[in-house]
Amino acid sequence: EVQLVQSGAEVKKPGESLKISCKGSGYSFTSYWIGWVRQMPGKGLEWMGIIYPGDSDTRYSPSFQGQVTISADKSISTAYLQWSSLKASDTAMYYCVRREPRAYFDYWGQGTLVTVSS
Amino acid sequence: QSALTQPASVSGSPGQSITISCTGTSSDVGGYNYVSWYQQHPGKAPKLMIYDVSNRPSGVSNRFSGSKSGNTASLTISGLQAEDEADYYCSSYTSSSTSFGGGTKLTVL
Repeated sequence: EVQLVQSGAEVKKPGESLKISCKGSGYSFTSYWIGWVRQMPGKGLEWMGIIYPGDSDTRYSPSFQGQVTISADKSISTAYLQWSSLKASDTAMYYCVRREPRAYFDYWGQGTLVTVSS
Repeated sequence: QSALTQPASVSGSPGQSITISCTGTSSDVGGYNYVSWYQQHPGKAPKLMIYDVSNRPSGVSNRFSGSKSGNTASLTISGLQAEDEADYYCSSYTSSSTSFGGGTKLTVL
């Protein structure tokens, strides 16, 4: 069974750093792109970027380029999303997704809620 | 502002059919047969309902169907049921990126 299991909810202060994780299982982790999707409170889905764990090829949405870093450790089948300096506007639910070659997301993690507040 | 345009809300009575549109451009919806649709119930992660414009993943009811004409894709739900009440998002590939629609809230009256 394919599963993406994300790390737990986080509460941070503005300016702090953060790295959340997404562990894949039940499939060849290095053979599929893993992406991240943001959903701000009461809002829609926003594609942030993707990484191919096989060779760490990474693509970012122009809206998120330079704002976050996506990485992966294929030895432990885990992808990461990190911030160096959080802002209140980063408060959102973040989902990791497995992306099929034809650009659809067939499996979703359960989501990680990030709250940034002073 | 989302790259793909969806109506904010649609509604229908049980047993009826509804259609949700998703309008893009020739650079996304019109340029590729890589449109997908997702259903999201409150407090839950989205679920893939349609991929490659009109294909259903295993386990998705055949009451859900997808189509495309030009720069507009559509999701049709027939035989509406109470459990279909949710938010629906379209998505399209666009030259090494991905765009989502703004989402449509479906209310089953």
